[in-house]
Amino acid sequence: SQQGEEDPQALSIQEGENATMNCSYKTSINNLQWYRQNSGRGLVHLILIRSNEREKHSGRLRVTLDTSKKSSSLLITASRAADTASYFCATGSTSGTYKYIFGTGTRLKVLA
Amino acid sequence: DTGVSQDPRHKITKRGQNVTFRCDPISEHNRLYWYRQTLGQGPEFLTYFQNEAQLEKSRLLSDRFSAERPKGSFSTLEIQRTEQGDSAMYLCASSLSGRAWNEQFFGPGTRLTVL
Repeated sequence: SQQGEEDPQALSIQEGENATMNCSYKTSINNLQWYRQNSGRGLVHLILIRSNEREKHSGRLRVTLDTSKKSSSLLITASRAADTASYFCATGSTSGTYKYIFGTGTRLKVLA
Repeated sequence: DTGVSQDPRHKITKRGQNVTFRCDPISEHNRLYWYRQTLGQGPEFLTYFQNEAQLEKSRLLSDRFSAERPKGSFSTLEIQRTEQGDSAMYLCASSLSGRAWNEQFFGPGTRLTVL
């Protein structure tokens, strides 16, 4: 079963614009990670944010985490056509297990 | 290539047949995960190993599914008596354990089609 949901399910923007996608989850977490998946391929890790962190940056990516609202957002600035992919959040819980639970994903399309 | 590899990349089988998939993780990674992904959905956790020990199995993993990691290196996932509902992409990932959570490195997946 999925831990939570990404919002929106699909997003279409012009190259150069910013893209924001959100992830909501249900249980207490130790960390939250964002992954990208190009069509029909494996997932690529983008960024990890721990539960005691509120914001993290990596290149054109900015991730925020609000544990009180059980939500996270991923911002991609100055988007490029190559950013076209599905983006998933994955949560690691505090319950002593090291399994990851993925969300339902946001399909991003960046138009050139 | 020192990434995670999976074999085969595609498998077409008839309902009722058994299939086995293999995953070779990154060599120094001691955690290995199996996921199933259907079209338009996120990966669903199936099971994970730390070294050779299978530490957790999802309720999705019915008794027709079995996974092994006999020497703590490669892993196999077997599905017995396949059903059409088993058609999906099966993803393997590995990570390095420690006191902290670490990123997972995913393989390209095995796409299973059950006719």
